[in-house]
Amino acid sequence: DTGVSQDPRHKITKRGQNVTFRCDPISEHNRLYWYRQTLGQGPEFLTYFQNEAQLEKSRLLSDRFSAERPKGSFSTLEIQRTEQGDSAMYLCASSFGAGSQPQHFGDGTRLSIL
Amino acid sequence: DAKTTQPNSMESNEEEPVHLPCNHSTISGTDYIHWYRQLPSQGPEYVIHGLTSNVNNRMASLAIAEDRKSSTLILHRATLRDAAVYYCILSAGLSNYGGSQGNLIFGKGTKLSVKP
Repeated sequence: DTGVSQDPRHKITKRGQNVTFRCDPISEHNRLYWYRQTLGQGPEFLTYFQNEAQLEKSRLLSDRFSAERPKGSFSTLEIQRTEQGDSAMYLCASSFGAGSQPQHFGDGTRLSIL
Repeated sequence: DAKTTQPNSMESNEEEPVHLPCNHSTISGTDYIHWYRQLPSQGPEYVIHGLTSNVNNRMASLAIAEDRKSSTLILHRATLRDAAVYYCILSAGLSNYGGSQGNLIFGKGTKLSVKP
């Protein structure tokens, strides 16, 4: 069990650029979640996948955000035309089985928009 | 979505027990009570969860009130490494497709400080 890994750990980009983050979940986990966390706040749910199917998206996930999980393994989160307000820590988590099961989090990708 | 209420901060002395309270008066019958903690610059870490009965694991104990409207996370002997933000979260337990099954709704949590 190597845990959930996220890449990159830090991303600095100019406003208006596109960015993509990758998450590799624990291998046998069928559920994968994306959260966003700003300074001083708890993480906020963005979206989740069960295998390759994206089953729920938060209202926080604007049209500029898209997430994929091809083949039910790793996932990518893309933000197009980044804005200052997108600066945050983007966290990925995975779990196995029903919604009550514990989620295992990665250490996140910190995005800074210049 | 069900919500929880926690104190903003608490202090403890090293090697003493810590009781972190959480109120969840609107909990439904199928909601699990989860506790996570987050150290600086790290993602949240699962601590413990339960439905109705008290639970113990190597990290902590979870005491759940009989009416399930409150719970307490117990760290038996606090260490400096336990200093973190502790989140109490309700998670829907039904294993249906779709809906809000499993996504965690975090509040601001309790910031625990541990003094040597």
